[in-house]
Amino acid sequence: AQSVTQLGSHVSVSEGALVLLRCNYSSSVPPYLFWYVQYPNQGLQLLLKYTSAATLVKGINGFEAEFKKSETSFHLTKPSAHMSDAAEYFCAVSFSDLYSSASKIIFGSGTRLSIRP
Amino acid sequence: DSGVTQTPKHLITATGQRVTLRCSPRSGDLSVYWYQQSLDQGLQFLIQYYNGEERAKGNILERFSAQQFPDLHSELNLSSLELGDSALYFCASSGTSGIYNEQFFGPGTRLTVL
Repeated sequence: AQSVTQLGSHVSVSEGALVLLRCNYSSSVPPYLFWYVQYPNQGLQLLLKYTSAATLVKGINGFEAEFKKSETSFHLTKPSAHMSDAAEYFCAVSFSDLYSSASKIIFGSGTRLSIRP
Repeated sequence: DSGVTQTPKHLITATGQRVTLRCSPRSGDLSVYWYQQSLDQGLQFLIQYYNGEERAKGNILERFSAQQFPDLHSELNLSSLELGDSALYFCASSGTSGIYNEQFFGPGTRLTVL
């Protein structure tokens, strides 16, 4: 069965510090992995996605994520946090259902990122 | 602006009532997805439509139903509302139903059931 686990419901870092948001997945079929960001009172927007072309994926706003199959992880990082990065971040796994072939997506529970001045 | 529109923005109603949420996908997108976001359940996938047909079902209650019309807009109907149905309801769209496709989310409809 497919699943996504985000470790840490809340992460707080200082402005300028490294941001690391953790995501582990479980998938019996090749996964497509996504990171979405949700700013207050807004819908989700895509940060980046992994579709097997390259293990290190660069996204918007200086974020990147590395797909590590051996660790079943897809952690999101940013070298230097900015106040505008404060938001909720969701990891998601997309896959084809084996029986119906319909595409499905599962979102993690989200990690709220706070930035300290 | 994602290009996905949702109406209304806010909805306040009473238990037992029925409401309809509306979504217009990005121009050209054939797939529409509905999600429910609440504090205790997180972001839950409800249902997906592709070019007018139901494509995938998630954790959608029997009291809820959806449809996608020929012009590709979609409606989510919630009936016999309960207090626990209070949540943010998001619609998202994508170009196809492929698993590698980015979904574009609307701003959401905040439903409050009193």
